[in-house]
Amino acid sequence: DAGVTQSPTHLIKTRGQQVTLRCSPKSGHDTVSWYQQALGQGPQFIFQYYEEEERQRGNFPDRFSGHQFPNYSSELNVNALLLGDSALYLCASSPDSPAQETQYFGPGTRLLVL
Amino acid sequence: GQQLNQSPQSMFIQEGEDVSMNCTSSSIFNTWLWYKQDPGEGPVLLIALYKAGELTSNGRLTAQFGITRKDSFLNISASIPSDVGIYFCAGPYNFNKFYFGSGTKLNVKP
Repeated sequence: DAGVTQSPTHLIKTRGQQVTLRCSPKSGHDTVSWYQQALGQGPQFIFQYYEEEERQRGNFPDRFSGHQFPNYSSELNVNALLLGDSALYLCASSPDSPAQETQYFGPGTRLLVL
Repeated sequence: GQQLNQSPQSMFIQEGEDVSMNCTSSSIFNTWLWYKQDPGEGPVLLIALYKAGELTSNGRLTAQFGITRKDSFLNISASIPSDVGIYFCAGPYNFNKFYFGSGTKLNVKP
């Protein structure tokens, strides 16, 4: 049983460009959350998707958007990239149950904005 | 957003020593979680706490949910080299919004 997978593993972009990151959840999980982890910091919650809709959002600008597909996989899109968007982007999946804290994290996509 | 403060920021200990770290918040949390992150990996859930005063163990790890619901503690007994990593406290707040602390980096000298 594959765990949470993310692609690509690394990415280099320049300021102003747009990026799309992808996540496949663990088998049996229907909820996907995205986090941004800057160097030396803890993960910061971006948003959560369930039933193809954004269910909850953290304190991130509209440049950050997402999508969930019928097979529960998800994409994170960031427009008009800034230098400060350089970070590790983590995807986590969980079953939609009261025990949602059982989030399983992927290895992340490391984004560098030059 | 909610702020979770972890201390210490980093620790250097000898193999076999016990370790204590804690996490505090200005707001009440109804669930406290402890994660470990190894280099190049995503965080892995170690322990989940659901009730004020609760003490829960997972092998050599023991965590406590503070009585005020604004803090939590993690202890590691008889540390080993594979305990090296960054430990994060976290909690869901306002339904499904998860907040993480800034982490405690643990180094273990063999």
